[in-house]
Amino acid sequence: VQVVQSGAEVKRPGASVKVSCHVSGYPLSELSVHWVRQAPGKGLEWVGGFTPEDGETVSAQGFQGRLTMTEDTSTNTAYMELSSLRSGDTAVYFCATGDYGGIYFDSWGQGTLVIVSS
Amino acid sequence: DIQMTQSPSSLSASVGDRVTITCRASQSISGYLNWYQQYPGKAPKLLIYAASTLQSGVPSRFSGSGSGTDFTLSITSVQPEDFATYYCQQTSKTPQTFGPGTKVDIK
Repeated sequence: VQVVQSGAEVKRPGASVKVSCHVSGYPLSELSVHWVRQAPGKGLEWVGGFTPEDGETVSAQGFQGRLTMTEDTSTNTAYMELSSLRSGDTAVYFCATGDYGGIYFDSWGQGTLVIVSS
Repeated sequence: DIQMTQSPSSLSASVGDRVTITCRASQSISGYLNWYQQYPGKAPKLLIYAASTLQSGVPSRFSGSGSGTDFTLSITSVQPEDFATYYCQQTSKTPQTFGPGTKVDIK
C-alpha cells in the first residue's frame, strides 16, 4: 500500500482546509483510514478515523463539528476537511491506513503541512 | 480517554547498547498496543503491533512485550539508524491515543 497526500496549505483563521490522501495498491474500501496530526515540535495526535467499536468514522472529541472525513472509492482517495481553523491547528497532518479492524496503522502518507496564520 | 505515558522521555545510548522503553496505559488495553518509530520530518513507521508482533520488514533486534497496562519496547544492540523518536499507541478504545514519545539519541 502506498499513500500520497496533497501539498502544503496556508490558511487564514476561520477558513477551511481539505487534504487529500490517495491510496494505491489496495482497495480503500478494505482498509481503515485515519488522520493523525503533529504540531511543530510536538507528539502525535489522533484526529479521526474508522473505529471498529463504532463501525464508522469518528472524530476525536476536540474536532467534532469541525472535521469531515470522506472517501471516494472510485479514485481510492480519502479526504479530511477541517473548518473554522485557528492557529492551534497549525500542524503536519498525516493520513494513515491500516487493517480494516483499525488495530494498527501500517501505511502512512508523507504528511501535509497546514499553516494557519493571519 | 485512555492516557498513555512513556518513560523515559529521552535517553542516550551507544551503538551496540540494549535499549528499553516503557509505555503505560491509564486503564487496561489488553494487547491493543502498537509501537512506531519516527525520524524528524518523516512519517511514523509501524514497528510492532498487538504488543508483540513484529511488522514485516522490521529487524528482529526490535521486540515488544506486555499486556493490560504495562508494555515494553526493547532494542537489542542499537544501530545508528535506530536513533529516532518512538511512540506507543493504544487502539483498544476511541480515541486511539499515542504516548508522548521517547527520543533515543547517540551518547
